[in-house]
Amino acid sequence: QSALTQPASVSGSPGQSITISCTGTSSDIGGYNFVSWYQQHPGKAPKLMIYDVSHRPSGISDRFSGSKSGNTASLTISGLQTEDEADYYCNSFTSTTTYVFGTGTKVTVL
Amino acid sequence: EVQLVQSGAEVKKPGESLKISCKHSGYSFTNYWIGWVRQMPGKGLEWIAIMYPDDSNTKYSPSFQGQVTISADMSIATAYLQWSSLKASDTAIYYCTRATDGLFYFDFWGQGSQVTVSS
Repeated sequence: QSALTQPASVSGSPGQSITISCTGTSSDIGGYNFVSWYQQHPGKAPKLMIYDVSHRPSGISDRFSGSKSGNTASLTISGLQTEDEADYYCNSFTSTTTYVFGTGTKVTVL
Repeated sequence: EVQLVQSGAEVKKPGESLKISCKHSGYSFTNYWIGWVRQMPGKGLEWIAIMYPDDSNTKYSPSFQGQVTISADMSIATAYLQWSSLKASDTAIYYCTRATDGLFYFDFWGQGSQVTVSS
């Protein structure tokens, strides 16, 4: 079961919008609307940012949004802020009733 | 308040056994799946396994099947991840997490347990 593919890094200036892609297969992302996104700051535990493709947990800023098309999911951060600088991981439920993470994307705020 | 509190850092030698724990509190341990995730030094998250303590239904990632064992003690709301023979490549931070039954995301996480395997 291969990891989902994410770009290694994405950067943007404060106030800009960035989008992180997450590409899988029809056995994971393409087969289910069970994609979630996690933010991880250095030395910290992951934090749930988006679930079920596009839903935000309580307390998560509406600057974070998610979407999916075919086998690719995306996380968009609008109005980029310095505190958004972190690593981001996608995750999907799979046809073998397990889960798989993405390779991770480092977001840098210029 | 929901909390997942993991056991402390461990330093072990290759070939030794180890069992790390994750104490769940602030909610009923039933009706939730418990999971484990590995993060090797400077690397990304890797999903290890998930277990439903109510019936011991367990799913392992193919990459970790046979390499580790997850378990739980419902009487003390504690989950475990264990190795029978550690390798240097098991050096990593291990996170526990939970998912509500019927939902497919991980909403609370432990603080992580550092495992170092070195001769």
